[in-house]
Amino acid sequence: ETGVTQTPRHLVMGMTNKKSLKCEQHLGHNAMYWYKQSAKKPLELMFVYSLEERVENNSVPSRFSPECPNSSHLFLHLHTLQPEDSALYLCASSESLSRDRVNGYTFGSGTRLTVV
Amino acid sequence: AQTVTQSQPEMSVQEAETVTLSCTYDTSESDYYLFWYKQPPSRQMILVIRQEAYKQQNATENRFSVNFQKAAKSFSLKISDSQLGDAAMYFCAYRDNNDMRFGAGTRLTVKP
Repeated sequence: ETGVTQTPRHLVMGMTNKKSLKCEQHLGHNAMYWYKQSAKKPLELMFVYSLEERVENNSVPSRFSPECPNSSHLFLHLHTLQPEDSALYLCASSESLSRDRVNGYTFGSGTRLTVV
Repeated sequence: AQTVTQSQPEMSVQEAETVTLSCTYDTSESDYYLFWYKQPPSRQMILVIRQEAYKQQNATENRFSVNFQKAAKSFSLKISDSQLGDAAMYFCAYRDNNDMRFGAGTRLTVKP
């Protein structure tokens, strides 16, 4: 158990479907992140939440909609996705945005998303 | 924006031998942190080693060590006495006051 849990582990969805990815941490961390991992590309930061407020949105298409109802949970709502959105979606958390730069992030095991 | 470059998409090493993975980065900051993460087939990213830019001494964690060259903006990872369990994707990462940036990764294969 890593401390950051992501569900589901795998997801196959059609382009007209609506689905949600879930991330949960009970490490007492105040910052949470969504990353997109595609083959042979650097991890792409999608969203950053600090104390349940979104502090960064890296030009992500509106078909991706994040939600952070509390400091332990982070969701990524998906709708009308495209095949190029197929990737591994990783959630991470850290104690705070900047105070613990030395500690890095704690990651979940990701959700493998396939859009058909 | 800070960029992280890993020039070796794939590397291979014989079990018990030593391998070095390369990483360079671009920044105008003087205070930052560097990390190497390992991602095995389980997909969980695991922190292997970290280096604080203001420290001249290279970080070491058991069989893992780094060669940090601040002026050259280079941060390579050396794995000694390679084991089969070291086979994974390895990501170099940079962090300053903002978020963390990652390289594209190096896939390491360990041959028995």
